[in-house]
Amino acid sequence: AQSVTQLDSQVPVFEEAPVELRCNYSSSVSVYLFWYVQYPNQGLQLLLKYLSGSTLVKGINGFEAEFNKSQTSFHLRKPSVHISDTAEYFCAVSPNAGNMLTFGGGTRLMVKP
Amino acid sequence: DAGVTQSPTHLIKTRGQHVTLRCSPISGHKSVSWYQQVLGQGPQFIFQYYEKEERGRGNFPDRFSARQFPNYSSELNVNALLLGDSALYLCASRIKDNTEAFFGQGTRLTVV
Repeated sequence: AQSVTQLDSQVPVFEEAPVELRCNYSSSVSVYLFWYVQYPNQGLQLLLKYLSGSTLVKGINGFEAEFNKSQTSFHLRKPSVHISDTAEYFCAVSPNAGNMLTFGGGTRLMVKP
Repeated sequence: DAGVTQSPTHLIKTRGQHVTLRCSPISGHKSVSWYQQVLGQGPQFIFQYYEKEERGRGNFPDRFSARQFPNYSSELNVNALLLGDSALYLCASRIKDNTEAFFGQGTRLTVV
């Protein structure tokens, strides 16, 4: 069984400030890790994914995440946020490369001017 | 190219009724998955189909069923609707197993 915990339900931040959205997971098997973004009234868009290799993963829109196996974490970061980054962000795990995703509860990023 | 398309976009049903939601995958994609997203929560996996065969099922009651057609489109059926079935239902497609999933914009189901 797998589970994902997103430690912050809401993260308010000022525009151009850095941000970190936290994600911890548990699994009895090796997993693949994902971050998705959901804008209001829309579906999910893949930001980035960790399948293997380098633990620092770069994604779209300037986001990056670091896989830490010992801490079972996959935190999402951006050095400077924009108003347009305001959205809901979901961390997810999968026992394979994208099937049967298990999602966390989401973190609402609120970027203020 | 068109992305994953879902219909209808919004739907209101009464308790006890039946509903059918439809999904057309991206052209060339053979795998379709369904997820339920209750307001304020993350999506939960319901079903996965690949080449018209069920490949995975989440922890949902038998009231939920799905199928995939020869053109790889899919339907999700829910019988005997409950108020708790109110949610955004998301469809995702992928070229084949173990590749990136692309999500549609979802169908918002409200059960009254």
